[in-house]
Amino acid sequence: ETGVTQTPRHLVMGMTNKKSLKCEQHLGHNAMYWYKQSAKKPLELMFVYSLEERVENNSVPSRFSPECPNSSHLFLHLHTLQPEDSALYLCASSQGGLAGSDTQYFGPGTRLTVL
Amino acid sequence: GIQVEQSPPDLILQEGANSTLRCNFSDSVNNLQWFHQNPWGQLINLFYIPSGTKQNGRLSATTVATERYSLLYISSSQTTDSGVYFCAVEDNAGNMLTFGGGTRLMVKP
Repeated sequence: ETGVTQTPRHLVMGMTNKKSLKCEQHLGHNAMYWYKQSAKKPLELMFVYSLEERVENNSVPSRFSPECPNSSHLFLHLHTLQPEDSALYLCASSQGGLAGSDTQYFGPGTRLTVL
Repeated sequence: GIQVEQSPPDLILQEGANSTLRCNFSDSVNNLQWFHQNPWGQLINLFYIPSGTKQNGRLSATTVATERYSLLYISSSQTTDSGVYFCAVEDNAGNMLTFGGGTRLMVKP
């Protein structure tokens, strides 16, 4: 248990559905991250929220929309996804700022399957 | 975008052995970092090394930016070194990290 929880753990959705992934950290950290881990592909950093500032990877499609209402909660809103979006979506948090400067603590991930 | 390749993808070592992990990248970078993801889900920053050589205990890293590669050396490996080692780079266009595919290391007692 790393102090980062994610729900749901598994999600199957159709291409026309709208769903949201939730992440919560209980570590008092100031930064939260969304990663995508696809089979046989490198880990991809999608979004970073640090002290209410958002940094995003420009290659992430607009059908993924993050929301960070406070420093403990992070959402990833999904709409009109494609089958190639099927992957493990990981949330992480760290004490400090943007990706890489501190140890990041990962949640267990949400295994997403898009039919 | 920038491509990051790591080798080998998998590595099994006997405790006490030394190893070298490699990271190649396709373009100039502002920053390069090595991470260790342990079995408990933590991604731990090992080195912040855009160029040159750094050492921290049994670990050291060297980045040759002009030749677009970095090496991570692990000496006298221990079972606690097991996990996945990621190389990640920050390109000149922005401040997001691009990760390599990782090297999965298992150190056997």
